[in-house]
Amino acid sequence: DAKTTQPNSMESNEEEPVHLPCNHSTISGTDYIHWYRQLPSQGPEYVIHGLTSNVNNRMASLAIAEDRKSSTLILHRATLRDAAVYYCILSSGYALNFGKGTSLLVTP
Amino acid sequence: SQTIHQWPATLVQPVGSPLSLECTVEGTSNPNLYWYRQAAGRGLQLLFYSVGIGQISSEVPQNLSASRPQDRQFILSSKKLLLSDSGFYLCAWSSYDRGKTEAFFGQGTRLTVV
Repeated sequence: DAKTTQPNSMESNEEEPVHLPCNHSTISGTDYIHWYRQLPSQGPEYVIHGLTSNVNNRMASLAIAEDRKSSTLILHRATLRDAAVYYCILSSGYALNFGKGTSLLVTP
Repeated sequence: SQTIHQWPATLVQPVGSPLSLECTVEGTSNPNLYWYRQAAGRGLQLLFYSVGIGQISSEVPQNLSASRPQDRQFILSSKKLLLSDSGFYLCAWSSYDRGKTEAFFGQGTRLTVV
């Protein structure tokens, strides 16, 4: 599976939108883009995934660049409960290989 | 609804002792099953995954092994634990749909080897 690059950490104020970037310049045509998040001492939680088109669900939105070499996870209004490590993962097979992710700090 | 059970939640084991962690999934059939490990302050490392009974793929060489004796049961084992085996072990499952579907994680086992 192709690699992803994410910033180590980001900070946001509560109730403001958050845009978490992910670069995946070597993405293949069959790779899906997945986002998970992990709260301290818990297992990862699925957030959203997509292939080519932008996706929305109750948790977040996923904006995928036209060339698919980057994507952005959008949290529309950050809450303190959104403080977590966010992982951007590419997968076209059975396995999800997690990188180091972005640690999001949300301040009141 | 589907649920995943993983136990125990915490475990302290001496170096050289054996290990057996069990994970079971309910409410689905023929799931893909995974074992991950997260060392302190580090990311999640995929250890093993299985797409069917008796089918195990290992991602990294290590002191651990995995088995899938039943469709919804996944076991992580070691004959002799090392200090470096300490970490947070997570079991996960996903449905049979390559690359597209979401994975669901258990609550994890925090293993400390002393």
